[in-house]
Amino acid sequence: EAGVTQSPTHLIKTRGQQATLRCSPISGHTSVYWYQQALGLGLQFLLWYDEGEERNRGNFPPRFSGRQFPNYSSELNVNALELEDSALYLCASSQHNEQFFGPGTRLTVL
Amino acid sequence: GQNIDQPTEMTATEGAIVQINCTYQTSGFNGLFWYQQHAGEAPTFLSYNVLDGLEEKGRFSSFLSRSKGYSYLLLKELQMKDSASYLCAVRDTGGFKTIFGAGTRLFVKA
Repeated sequence: EAGVTQSPTHLIKTRGQQATLRCSPISGHTSVYWYQQALGLGLQFLLWYDEGEERNRGNFPPRFSGRQFPNYSSELNVNALELEDSALYLCASSQHNEQFFGPGTRLTVL
Repeated sequence: GQNIDQPTEMTATEGAIVQINCTYQTSGFNGLFWYQQHAGEAPTFLSYNVLDGLEEKGRFSSFLSRSKGYSYLLLKELQMKDSASYLCAVRDTGGFKTIFGAGTRLFVKA
C-alpha cells in the first residue's frame, strides 16, 4: 500500500513569491492535515481537510490557505512568502485515529 | 490555552529503560498520541491513549492519566536505533485539531 506522498521534496522561493505544496493521502483516507515544522521546533498545526471541506485551521495568517480535491489530495498555498516561512511542511492523512505522515516538503525562502 | 510540555533532551544507555514524560493543558481532550521522528524523516505513529491506563506494544508502552493531564512513553531494552525525537500530541474535541509538543530528543549511547 502506497503511503502519503508529497511534492516537491524541496522548494526554493524568494520573499513575496507564492508557494504551492501538494499532498496525496493514503488510498481510502479522507482526512488530510498540514503541519509546519520549523528548524528545532515542534509541529505546528496548519490546516485540516476532510471530505473536501476545511474543518479547522491553526494560528496562521490567511496567506496560508489550501484546498482538498475530490480525490482527497490536497494543496497548501502560501502567499507573500516571508523568510520565517522557511520550514519543513508535513502532510498527514488519517481514516480514524492514527495520522500517517508524508516525507515533507522543505521550503526555503531567500 | 493549549500547552504541551515534554523534556527537550534525554540520554540513556543501550539496553536500559527510559521514561519520557508529557504534561498537557488543552481546552478539550480526545486522545493522546506518541510519535517517533528520526532526524530528517517524517514522524511515525507509536501509540494512542484515550482512556486512563497503560497501553503496551512490544518494547514501547504509553500511560495516560486524564485527571492529571499527564502521559509517559516507556521504552525498554533500548537500542541505538531508538535515538530519535519523541513527540507527544493531544487531539482536541472540537474540530479534531491535534496539538504537538516540541518533542524530546533521545540519545542512546553504547
